[in-house]
Amino acid sequence: GAGVSQSPSNKVTEKGKDVELRCDPISGHTALYWYRQSLGQGLEFLIYFQGNSAPDKSGLPSDRFSAERTGGSVSTLTIQRTQQEDSAVYLCASTPGWSSGGAGETQYFGPGTRLLVL
Amino acid sequence: QKEVEQDPGPLSVPEGAIVSLNCTYSNSAFQYFMWYRQYSRKGPELLMYTYSSGNKEDGRFTAQVDKSSKYISLFIRDSQPSDSATYLCATGNTDKLIFGTGTRLQVFP
Repeated sequence: GAGVSQSPSNKVTEKGKDVELRCDPISGHTALYWYRQSLGQGLEFLIYFQGNSAPDKSGLPSDRFSAERTGGSVSTLTIQRTQQEDSAVYLCASTPGWSSGGAGETQYFGPGTRLLVL
Repeated sequence: QKEVEQDPGPLSVPEGAIVSLNCTYSNSAFQYFMWYRQYSRKGPELLMYTYSSGNKEDGRFTAQVDKSSKYISLFIRDSQPSDSATYLCATGNTDKLIFGTGTRLQVFP
């Protein structure tokens, strides 16, 4: 079946602009994660959605970052007033969601959105 | 101190070599241990998964966990150019999964 998809694959924006990144998880997966990957920084957890529960936003670096998950499926990560330090690859992953926090499950990643803020 | 430490490399080896990739972690409560492989411009994909101390083997890959020293390793035997990728260790408990920074491996013919 189809894997996790993300769009756009690349995004170039100017400092101060808002951007929206989209993630389509695997059908039936109830858990969805957003990560940021910067050179030398590894995967930085941003936010976690599990079913209808309140999302775990503990990884969001500032209030310029927000995310939504509509209808328990598609998710959008929004970065307002982008800064140059926001340049990174933003990865989305989904899991079936049987394990709270998801550590015991395989995370299926999308190809990522490469964001460049000029 | 980061909860998971991993040498970013790069590590460059000749084809056929045995590769050893390592991570250390700080939280003794972590019970899941994974290795993900990430090819250039792709998302990570699960390579190995274990939740106990000891070795787990899958073809040319062996994952090793030593909970007493909080040390996890991935060994690749008879390395191939197609193994060239970034390898990320990951560990955690039921509440969260934490990834290492990844080690970039280059296997040259």
